[in-house]
Amino acid sequence: QSALTQPPSASGSPGQSVTISCTGTSSDVGGYNHVSWYQQSPGKAPKLMISEVSKRPSGVPARFSGSKSGNTASLTVSGLQAEDEAEYYCSSYAGSGNYVFGTGTKLSVL
Amino acid sequence: EVQLVESGGGLVQPGGSLRLSCAASGFTFSSSWMSWVRQAPGKGLEWVASIKPDGSAKYYVDSVKGRFTVSRDNPKDSLYLQMNSLRAEDTAVFYCAVYNGWAFDYWGQGTLVAVSS
Repeated sequence: QSALTQPPSASGSPGQSVTISCTGTSSDVGGYNHVSWYQQSPGKAPKLMISEVSKRPSGVPARFSGSKSGNTASLTVSGLQAEDEAEYYCSSYAGSGNYVFGTGTKLSVL
Repeated sequence: EVQLVESGGGLVQPGGSLRLSCAASGFTFSSSWMSWVRQAPGKGLEWVASIKPDGSAKYYVDSVKGRFTVSRDNPKDSLYLQMNSLRAEDTAVFYCAVYNGWAFDYWGQGTLVAVSS
């Protein structure tokens, strides 16, 4: 049950695109499509941004997208906006009823 | 509107016990997988436990097995986490969350558990 690996930080200027990676193993990210992404602002609860690798829940802007290749999932934020500055976490089902989160990435909008 | 309200957090000494509660509303609680996720101060999210809608199956992260017990009362739309033999490393904000089969799609505001002498 090791945490999924994310880069500690990512950044981009308003209007640019940024991609955050989430690397696991064949026992979690690579083995299931139960990969999701969460946005967390300071002092707030996490908010679901992407479900099932690439599906956006109702109300999440279309500039957020997800994908997966092998054991690595990715979250791309296009057309960065100041309000996108937050911590982002990935998560995956890891089998046998277990779940694992990523180490988290702080996204800065320059 | 989905609402999840956690309660029961507080300061407890190492080795002590605490029972967290999560009151749910705005969705069919009895049909939903529920989970607890925690976040140590300044750290990332960690899945703690999940429970099947009818309570017949429960799953835990290795670090809490044998110490924590997740349960639910469907008629009361409530989720619980009984925490025993608490350690300093259990200090965290504990969130309850609804799992929709693919992701944790609704979260409570969290309750802080501090384990210290």
